[in-house]
Amino acid sequence: QLQLQESGPGLVKPSETLSLTCTVSVASISSSNYYWGWIRQPPGKGLEWIGSIYYSGSTYYNPSLKSRVTVSVDTSKNQFSLKLNSVTAADTAVYFCASANIVATKYYFDYWGQGTLVTVSS
Amino acid sequence: QTVVTQEPSFSVSPGGTVTLTCGLSSGSVYLSYYPSWYQQTPGQAPRTLIYNTNTRSSGVPDRFSGSMLGNKAALTITGAQADDESDYYCVLYMGSGIWVFGGGTKVTVL
Repeated sequence: QLQLQESGPGLVKPSETLSLTCTVSVASISSSNYYWGWIRQPPGKGLEWIGSIYYSGSTYYNPSLKSRVTVSVDTSKNQFSLKLNSVTAADTAVYFCASANIVATKYYFDYWGQGTLVTVSS
Repeated sequence: QTVVTQEPSFSVSPGGTVTLTCGLSSGSVYLSYYPSWYQQTPGQAPRTLIYNTNTRSSGVPDRFSGSMLGNKAALTITGAQADDESDYYCVLYMGSGIWVFGGGTKVTVL
């Protein structure tokens, strides 16, 4: 069973860059069966898709965050990463990484990391 | 901006049936949006329930079912149990690697 694990700082200062990494286990990040995605959830609020990446490096972003987001992949480490710049308190959230299964026209998130809380505060 | 709509909350009696819906603020939900549904309890990662409109994910009890109801996707819980009390999220695939989450429905079993 595919496993994902987020890692990165739990505290980021306003105006700085939030950086998180997701390590994928059991499956290869170079698989053509998946997009790899980031989703976040502010405290007490709903889930929001941030962006996704294909192993080839093709990226797809939420239009509302596109100007501040970069998702990248490191196939040698079986990892993908999120950078969100110019953060504010509104970016405080639990950040999840997830695998998006695209085999046979499924297009859904099948495995999720446990999530990591990132707080934006000085 | 695409907005996926869900009822904010629902209450269901133990053993009862509840149907949650997933719509679009402008337009209809089609099969080609590949609706999927996720269950989330506080402090936990979401759990995949349904994908491709009506396919249950591995290990999901058959009291959860997905369908299309008119111009919306729907999730029905038949014979609700206490541990079904959770938040439920609908997600639509808009094509070109883009997904949109609904605002979630909080289901209370009482």
